[in-house]
Amino acid sequence: GIQVEQSPPDLILQEGANSTLRCNFSDSVNNLQWFHQNPWGQLINLFYIPSGTKQNGRLSATTVATERYSLLYISSSQTTDSGVYFCAVERSNAGKSTFGDGTTLTVKP
Amino acid sequence: GAVVSQHPSWVICKSGTSVKIECRSLDFQATTMFWYRQFPKQSLMLMATSNEGSKATYEQGVEKDKFLINHASLTLSTLTVTSAHPEDSSFYICSAEGPGGYNEQFFGPGTRLTVL
Repeated sequence: GIQVEQSPPDLILQEGANSTLRCNFSDSVNNLQWFHQNPWGQLINLFYIPSGTKQNGRLSATTVATERYSLLYISSSQTTDSGVYFCAVERSNAGKSTFGDGTTLTVKP
Repeated sequence: GAVVSQHPSWVICKSGTSVKIECRSLDFQATTMFWYRQFPKQSLMLMATSNEGSKATYEQGVEKDKFLINHASLTLSTLTVTSAHPEDSSFYICSAEGPGGYNEQFFGPGTRLTVL
């Protein structure tokens, strides 16, 4: 099956700092999503981004499908940004997603 | 829009009992829903695909007789953990493909199961 690798596994930032999270995948994909899992376990949709660049406030994402990677940018980080960030990819149109192992972000005040 | 709910949020049961978890799409219809399992500090692992009006499709290694899935309507899928044992303790999360036909998934808040 497809392999999804996220880096770094852990990231500690001071409030106000910027960061870049990476997601590499081993094969072509139809869909790619970024999620933030909050401390209560809820997965929050950040971006649906099979290709191109999107921005939403302090967050933006870029997927370069031909080179099989996606980047999530977080600017001016806040303590509420803490949690685990997952990248999930889907190869076919069957809707089945494969998740990476996640990046655990800790933002310190 | 695209809100998914789960019930219960958490459940504690004795070994050998069965537990049913409900997953509902609140403001859209979902012909396909997915069930995931997540152990502490780990990623989500897909257990099965739930299709409205037909049998679920299970991932390799998932016991279909242990984890019964029923997708009886376009807004409800249920996961029943039968004869639960302590090793079934986990965080169970469902998702549904949102409206629009883009296969974007929306997740429920999860159910934390503890088997004593």
